[in-house]
Amino acid sequence: GNSVTQMEGPVTLSEEAFLTINCTYTATGYPSLFWYVQYPGEGLQLLLKATKADDKGSNKGFEATYRKETTSFHLEKGSVQVSDSAVYFCALHNQNTGNQFYFGTGTSLTVIP
Amino acid sequence: GAVVSQHPSRVICKSGTSVKIECRSLDFQATTMFWYRQFPKQSLMLMATSNEGSKATYEQGVEKDKFLINHASLTLSTLTVTSAHPEDSSFYICSAREYRQGIYGYTFGSGTRLTVV
Repeated sequence: GNSVTQMEGPVTLSEEAFLTINCTYTATGYPSLFWYVQYPGEGLQLLLKATKADDKGSNKGFEATYRKETTSFHLEKGSVQVSDSAVYFCALHNQNTGNQFYFGTGTSLTVIP
Repeated sequence: GAVVSQHPSRVICKSGTSVKIECRSLDFQATTMFWYRQFPKQSLMLMATSNEGSKATYEQGVEKDKFLINHASLTLSTLTVTSAHPEDSSFYICSAREYRQGIYGYTFGSGTRLTVV
């Protein structure tokens, strides 16, 4: 079946620190992989995505590479800002097995000045 | 971009009462709406899928008589938690799907934090 395992939080970093949030998945076929971000009081927003192996998604300084050999899609940012404080969800979408998204548990990130 | 407005954002209700959660697609037509919930320290889990004008399809283990879903128009879907109990306390979020220019796009609402006391 499909599932996503995400690094547990909460994560607290100082401004300009390097961020990694680990995400691994299990899936049949070739899913698309996503990172969603939820800022306080707001809905889930698509941060980045990758639709096939070796694709790199990037947005707002965040990057994640679709690694089929390790079934991973780790989120990274070289220098976090206070405004990056949010909850981050790793997710997969597999059109071969339905229309729903499969989410990780979410990782809360707090960046302190 | 596409926006889904979800209300209320937080609600506290007494056991035995019903609560209605609304999701509106503001600038597009949502042919399909997905409803998810998240218990503490767990993943967002799909509860049900509804297509405009037809009955919702519920995931295994989700009581359709307890979680009433109505998708009467292409811009509005509602989830009603009937006879709420404390174990229904959770985070509920909708996701609207639209088909545009040959691909599907998914937009999430802001979520509703339900607390049943």
